[in-house]
Amino acid sequence: QKEVEQNSGPLSVPEGAIASLNCTYSDRGSQSFFWYRQYSGKSPELIMFIYSNGDKEDGRFTAQLNKASQYVSLLIRDSQPSDSATYLCAVNEAGFQKLVFGTGTRLLVSP
Amino acid sequence: SAVISQKPSRDICQRGTSLTIQCQVDSQVTMMFWYRQQPGQSLTLIATANQGSEATYESGFVIDKFPISRPNLTFSTLTVSNMSPEDSSIYLCSVATTAAYEQYFGPGTRLTVT
Repeated sequence: QKEVEQNSGPLSVPEGAIASLNCTYSDRGSQSFFWYRQYSGKSPELIMFIYSNGDKEDGRFTAQLNKASQYVSLLIRDSQPSDSATYLCAVNEAGFQKLVFGTGTRLLVSP
Repeated sequence: SAVISQKPSRDICQRGTSLTIQCQVDSQVTMMFWYRQQPGQSLTLIATANQGSEATYESGFVIDKFPISRPNLTFSTLTVSNMSPEDSSIYLCSVATTAAYEQYFGPGTRLTVT
């Protein structure tokens, strides 16, 4: 059974701080890694994807991947109250088109 | 990314009945997926819908309960059959627009079974 693990949180950070969200995965053959943001009552929205070891930056978001440690993270710089949401980590199952989702980390950014 | 719509957005149904959920995309896509998200939980993949072939179901989901159609590259339906209160959930379709693994989600259908 392929697994993706996340701390459920909530992770509370003050406005302007860096939020760090973490994810580990069990399938060593996975090649593609995704972060989705889900606001309460809404569907998941893809915000970042990363395929290679290292960092990938997009605006205030940085995704970090370490395949040797089977670890993916998402950093949100200058956190805003509008970033308050659940963040889902997803990993492709090796050899398949489908994704395996973690349970999500709830982020709360206080003004 | 593709624009994805789902109908209905929500419904309240009686146990024993069936509901068909539609997913429409504004462009042709290779893969379409159906997920279930129960309150406070993450996404569970029900099946992958391929155009021109039978859907591929995940463990714990069967075609008799969740029949799926994929008549073309822009449309799919999921039917929830013989519903029970345990089927109350949000049902989401997603699409993969390229050979990559990125998936984009529709707005979801909130189903309540009484």
